[in-house]
Formats: sequence, C-alpha cells, structure tokens
Amino acid sequence: DTAVSQTPKYLVTQMGNDKSIKCEQNLGHDTMYWYKQDSKKFLKIMFSYNNKELIINETVPNRFSPKSPDKAHLNLHINSLELGDSAVYFCASSNSPTGVYGNEQFFGPGTRLTVL
Amino acid sequence: QQPVQSPQAVILREGEDAVINCSSSKALYSVHWYRQKHGEAPVFLMILLKGGEQKGHDKISASFNEKKQQSSLYLTASQLSYSGTYFCGKNQGGKLIFGQGTELSVKP
Repeated sequence: DTAVSQTPKYLVTQMGNDKSIKCEQNLGHDTMYWYKQDSKKFLKIMFSYNNKELIINETVPNRFSPKSPDKAHLNLHINSLELGDSAVYFCASSNSPTGVYGNEQFFGPGTRLTVL
Repeated sequence: QQPVQSPQAVILREGEDAVINCSSSKALYSVHWYRQKHGEAPVFLMILLKGGEQKGHDKISASFNEKKQQSSLYLTASQLSYSGTYFCGKNQGGKLIFGQGTELSVKP
C-alpha cells in the first residue's frame, strides 16, 4: 500500500491555466505539507495543515491555494500559472511536529509541473 | 534561515568513506537527514537531538554538536545505492528548513 500518493505525476500546461494536484496519505498522520523543489533541487516548504487547519503559510503567491477536506487529504490549486511555477511539488505527512524537534516526514512521489 | 551544507558535491568509489557537514547560524535543537535518489522523493534517514546523541542507519551514522550548531553525516564503505542528494534540515516552528543539498555519486 502506498503511504503518500499524489496525482498527477506529470502536469504539462500553458501559462495562464489553472491546475490542481491531489495528495492522500494512509499513515494516520494529522499533519500534511506541500513543498516546492526547483531546478537546483532546493526544497522549500510552502504550506502545512494540521487536522485540516492551515498552520504554516510561507511567502507564497496567493495564486496558490491549498485545501484539506480531511486530515488524510491535502490538495493544491494553482491559478494563472506562470513559467516560474515549473518545479516538482511534493506532498508530505507526519505526526504533529510538537516541541522543538519535529518528526519524520513521509514524502509522496512528487508532481512534475511544466508550464509552457 | 536555511542550514548550509558542505561539500556541494562529492564523487566516491565504492568502498570509500565520505562526510557531509551541515551548519546553522542559529540555534539547532535537532537535525534531520534525508536522502533523495534521482527522480524520487526524499526519504528520511534519521533525526539527531540535543545532547550529541549519535544515531545510525546501517553504515550511515551522524553526529550533532549543538554548541557548534553543526551536524555531520558519515557514510562508511559507500555502496552504489548511497548515490543521491543528501539534505539536512532543521525544525523551525513546526516546519523543516532544508539545506541546499549535497550530491553524492558513488562509482563502481
């Protein structure tokens, strides 16, 4: 059974379009994340949800809107796509990162978004 | 602020050892290490906590010196399967801030 799954795996689209990426985890975790990995492999957190509540919202254009219908699902909708949005987007999940240590995160396989 | 890793890249022959360093300009309470193979997702290796506790994962071990705000990852007798990009990360307000990554290539 896949622990963290994402769809689609590849997404090729034109500038200006709107697209969504879906993520699901079956690990029973209560915290989920979206990361963006650029062409230089820099892995940067975008959002985090804990029990469907947004708890981390990094400096991300408001064209990006996450939604968590329940604690096992976290989706990412992107409006008016731009060339600079091309990247690999990873979903991840973990138990609540309480305290100062944080917890092991489990990553999905990634969605490679290419904006033409 | 993101941790800084060194070196940026390293090439090894099978059986050789390597050390990857991670340092932070601000206080570190824990250090997380992940490995990402080409075209795959990052995979958790270990967490190191305050107190200098050293944890191991097969032939990969790490140390954490919170006074120096540094961690080092030791890869002993490297195998081809060790190739990939290694990231250290620090927990900051419930989010992981990753270093820029160290690309490790193990050749036969």
